[in-house]
Amino acid sequence: DTGVSQNPRHKITKRGQNVTFRCDPISEHNRLYWYRQTLGQGPEFLTYFQNEAQLEKSRLLSDRFSAERPKGSFSTLEIQRTEQGDSAMYLCASVKQETDTEAFFGQGTRLTVV
Amino acid sequence: GIQVEQSPPDLILQEGANSTLRCNFSDSVNNLQWFHQNPWGQLINLFYIPSGTKQNGRLSATTVATERYSLLYISSSQTTDSGVYFCAVDWETGNQFYFGTGTSLTVIP
Repeated sequence: DTGVSQNPRHKITKRGQNVTFRCDPISEHNRLYWYRQTLGQGPEFLTYFQNEAQLEKSRLLSDRFSAERPKGSFSTLEIQRTEQGDSAMYLCASVKQETDTEAFFGQGTRLTVV
Repeated sequence: GIQVEQSPPDLILQEGANSTLRCNFSDSVNNLQWFHQNPWGQLINLFYIPSGTKQNGRLSATTVATERYSLLYISSSQTTDSGVYFCAVDWETGNQFYFGTGTSLTVIP
């Protein structure tokens, strides 16, 4: 088991472009979380999946953001029409099950919108 | 949502010194974790400690759930301990982890 994997590690995009990030959780972990972290702040919750079902979304997740986990394994986070304020570190975490709630985070994807 | 406060916000130590980081939370929690964020941004798991005391080498942690706080102890600090330490809690009635604002630790040789 190689842990939670996120790709790409870095992404620079022009304002108005769409970007997509991928997260591969630890195998057999059925919960997957997306967080966003801006400079000097702690990570903030965006959304989470229980298997393939998206069960909760933060108000931070505007209409330009969409997340999927089609087969209950990897997940993608897409940001449409990026804005400079979207520049942040996007972190993914996975948790094995409801009774074992230790979270493991990936290396993150650092997005810069220019 | 639940409030998570960490103190101190910044800490500068001489190599070899000991330190205590504190995490206060405002409601009952299922889970509490301590993380160290490395310079590349990855959150490294230190402790999964909803209650009780655990030790791992020079680090130890104690959570007193009934009084809603947790402490992270770093002994004989090394320069590699530098970075930001986060406390995160899993709210008892929620489905997400809430993070504190972190303690930024700098260990100088």
